[in-house]
Amino acid sequence: EPEVTQTPSHQVTQMGQEVILRCVPISNHLYFYWYRQILGQKVEFLVSFYNNEISEKSEIFDDQFSVERPDGSNFTLKIRSTKLEDSAMYFCASSLQGAADYGYTFGSGTRLTVV
Amino acid sequence: QQPVQSPQAVILREGEDAVINCSSSKALYSVHWYRQKHGEAPVFLMILLKGGEQKGHEKISASFNEKKQQSSLYLTASQLSYSGTYFCGISNFGNEKLTFGTGTRLTIIP
Repeated sequence: EPEVTQTPSHQVTQMGQEVILRCVPISNHLYFYWYRQILGQKVEFLVSFYNNEISEKSEIFDDQFSVERPDGSNFTLKIRSTKLEDSAMYFCASSLQGAADYGYTFGSGTRLTVV
Repeated sequence: QQPVQSPQAVILREGEDAVINCSSSKALYSVHWYRQKHGEAPVFLMILLKGGEQKGHEKISASFNEKKQQSSLYLTASQLSYSGTYFCGISNFGNEKLTFGTGTRLTIIP
């Protein structure tokens, strides 16, 4: 079964450093998402991406965050200057069409720890 | 706006049934259900669409009441493998993103 692949699985970074989280969505999917989950809490929407541009973003997704699809297969989330409160599990997801009609496939996540 | 799930947690013996509810204050276009095991990614269970179409691939059923803006997930004859946290995700007016609910932790004991 096709998978969404995320790397790294765990990243520890110092506060103020930049991090890039990488994702390879399922190849024929058209919609891409980043969500995060603080330990034991709900899954929070960060950003959706379609047709090479951001289609929607949440209040969490401020100027410190950016996304790119540099080469048609990878989908990256960059946090420019990490804060302690950015510590969370970050999930990439892709969907064949929008979530209105199709389910998401999630990657296995990147656990980001900011120290 | 975040959907509200109930109950927050439930403990069942193997073979018992459970119902998990999800309600929204906004009109729903579709409702998704996901199961997340500890330390893993959420896994898609099914989607219920406005108008009644349902797509899924597990032996778990769900209902979608558009008028009440609610969905319920039914787990019958629960198995140990059903343990995990269940999240509903809602899409409003054909919006392509999901907003996830607060989660229901289901524990199945032998």
